[in-house]
Amino acid sequence: DVKVTQSSRYLVKRTGEKVFLECVQDMDHENMFWYRQDPGLGLRLIYFSYDVKMKEKGDIPEGYSVSREKKERFSLILESASTNQTSMYLCASSSPGQGNNQPQHFGDGTRLSIL
Amino acid sequence: GQQVMQIPQYQHVQEGEDFTTYCNSSTTLSNIQWYKQRPGGHPVFLIQLVKSGEVKKQKRLTFQFGEAKKNSSLHITATQTTDVGTYFCAIYGNKLVFGAGTILRVKS
Repeated sequence: DVKVTQSSRYLVKRTGEKVFLECVQDMDHENMFWYRQDPGLGLRLIYFSYDVKMKEKGDIPEGYSVSREKKERFSLILESASTNQTSMYLCASSSPGQGNNQPQHFGDGTRLSIL
Repeated sequence: GQQVMQIPQYQHVQEGEDFTTYCNSSTTLSNIQWYKQRPGGHPVFLIQLVKSGEVKKQKRLTFQFGEAKKNSSLHITATQTTDVGTYFCAIYGNKLVFGAGTILRVKS
């Protein structure tokens, strides 16, 4: 079974702090994704990566950056945390496939609160 | 970019009743995926539909892809308390786009 591990289940940070959310997958997947989930809005894609050192902006990249130095690890960075970034953050991975339409495997999520 | 509309947003049913959630797109889809998220959990992949008019079953769950490949449905027959959660559809353009989800609550 695919295992996607997010470093923290719950995190509380202060406005203006630089915040790192870590995600590691153990299935040698090329593709990794960061989403945020808010009530009534579903899952919104922040950034994704199809290869090491490669990154692409998703639908809501503002205020975030990412790092993919190793294939198994994809980090989400909040450069200067703000209260509107309080949310559930979900990491996912998938293997490459035709049209990149492979199922995504999710971590348990990090519930981040910015005070 | 591509978008998908999912309805209803919320449904509360009596145990044993049926449940259906729908996803609609204005454009023709190459495929559609369905995920389930239990309360406090993470989304889990259920199934992918690819062919026009495709119908797939998983026990009490029936998934359907429209003939025009612009809509899809998930139907649960005789709901049980284990069915509670949020059901998402997701479509691929150059990336996966999720619907807003349908929250299912089951009264026992």
